[in-house]
Amino acid sequence: DGGITQSPKYLFRKEGQNVTLSCEQNLNHDAMYWYRQDPGQGLRLIYYSQIVNDFQKGDIAEGYSVSREKKESFPLTVTSAQKNPTAFYLCASILATGQMNTEAFFGQGTRLTVV
Amino acid sequence: AQKITQTQPGMFVQEKEAVTLDCTYDTSDPSYGLFWYKQPSSGEMIFLIYQGSYDQQNATEGRYSLNFQKARKSANLVISASQLGDSAMYFCAMREIRGANSKLTFGKGITLSVRP
Repeated sequence: DGGITQSPKYLFRKEGQNVTLSCEQNLNHDAMYWYRQDPGQGLRLIYYSQIVNDFQKGDIAEGYSVSREKKESFPLTVTSAQKNPTAFYLCASILATGQMNTEAFFGQGTRLTVV
Repeated sequence: AQKITQTQPGMFVQEKEAVTLDCTYDTSDPSYGLFWYKQPSSGEMIFLIYQGSYDQQNATEGRYSLNFQKARKSANLVISASQLGDSAMYFCAMREIRGANSKLTFGKGITLSVRP
């Protein structure tokens, strides 16, 4: 079955460490997105990418980095520069070939806790 | 400035009644798409309904309909005949094209509780 997979579901990190969240999709979607969700803040856009080897900063990119070496993969690294990384992270993808009405598909999310 | 505004505090509705969840948006693009998603306590994001900026009619999907008022830049979700399973967080989102990229922005969400 086609879908979008995030791993791990739960992640614990010590302060000062970088950590990478995985996002893989087999939907042949062009665009991929990373969001951060905090209580009362909704989904805030971190990074997004339309094509391989190209990505754009979202509204809260500081302290994060991404890569898009393959169409199906869009990993997110939370660096030690991110001051408050504890949050729920969601990855999404869209078949973005010119049609506006295609919805985003989401992974199940990764809950990151800094200990 | 916020692109998507959802200002209602937690909403409550009696089972079997209708409820409207408000959403206003801000864009200068003539072409954009508006989406509503549902997020139950499990955390998954469930797509509900889509409205295109050029669509002449309001979108409907089963018990969900979208009250689209383009001049006012509002896209309110109407849920008819509420069910207990409708209790969840609801997000409004807007898709805009930025050059070769497609940006998808969400609002802060509204918590809906359905009372038996």
